[in-house]
Amino acid sequence: DAEITQSPRHKITETGRQVTLACHQTWNHNNMFWYRQDLGHGLRLIHYSYGVQDTNKGEVSDGYSVSRSNTEDLPLTLESAASSQTSVYFCASSDGGTQETQYFGPGTRLLVL
Amino acid sequence: AQKVTQAQTEISVVEKEDVTLDCVYETRDTTYYLFWYKQPPSGELVFLIRRNSFDEQNEISGRYSWNFQKSTSSFNFTITASQVVDSAVYFCALKLTGGGNKLTFGTGTQLKVEL
Repeated sequence: DAEITQSPRHKITETGRQVTLACHQTWNHNNMFWYRQDLGHGLRLIHYSYGVQDTNKGEVSDGYSVSRSNTEDLPLTLESAASSQTSVYFCASSDGGTQETQYFGPGTRLLVL
Repeated sequence: AQKVTQAQTEISVVEKEDVTLDCVYETRDTTYYLFWYKQPPSGELVFLIRRNSFDEQNEISGRYSWNFQKSTSSFNFTITASQVVDSAVYFCALKLTGGGNKLTFGTGTQLKVEL
């Protein structure tokens, strides 16, 4: 069955370190998204991609970067982790078109000490 | 800019009670999509329903029903005869057809169903 996976599921890191969260989907979806979930804020969009070599900033992109070298993967990098980036991170994907539904991965819990 | 408001932060009900989760959205666009997602205690986000702005028909799926009213910019979700397994955080989300494929989420409603 097609799916979307994230790794690691849990991560503890220290302030200032670079961290990369992986997202892999086997639906062959063009669109991929990264969100963070924090209490009181719901989910907020960090970065998104509409296809290979395409990346775009979301509403909370500062301190994060993504790259899309193939259809299946959209890794999220925290360049220099900060305590404010402690959160739960969700990756999602959707097919092309305006009416498509986004399907989410299981999430990654990141703690920055 | 678009916005989704879920004013109910937390709702507690006793099993078998009916419960309605409110969702109010704001957008100037005339075409858009509305979604509900469920986040059980295990943490994953589960897609429940998508509704486009042209279709104001209510939808029923088992114990779940959705009431979309464009006149009041609301897309409410009702669970009939709630069960403990319905305990979760429920998110309402909005997607514009002209604004890329980005979802704008509400802050979620925590539903607790007790025995």
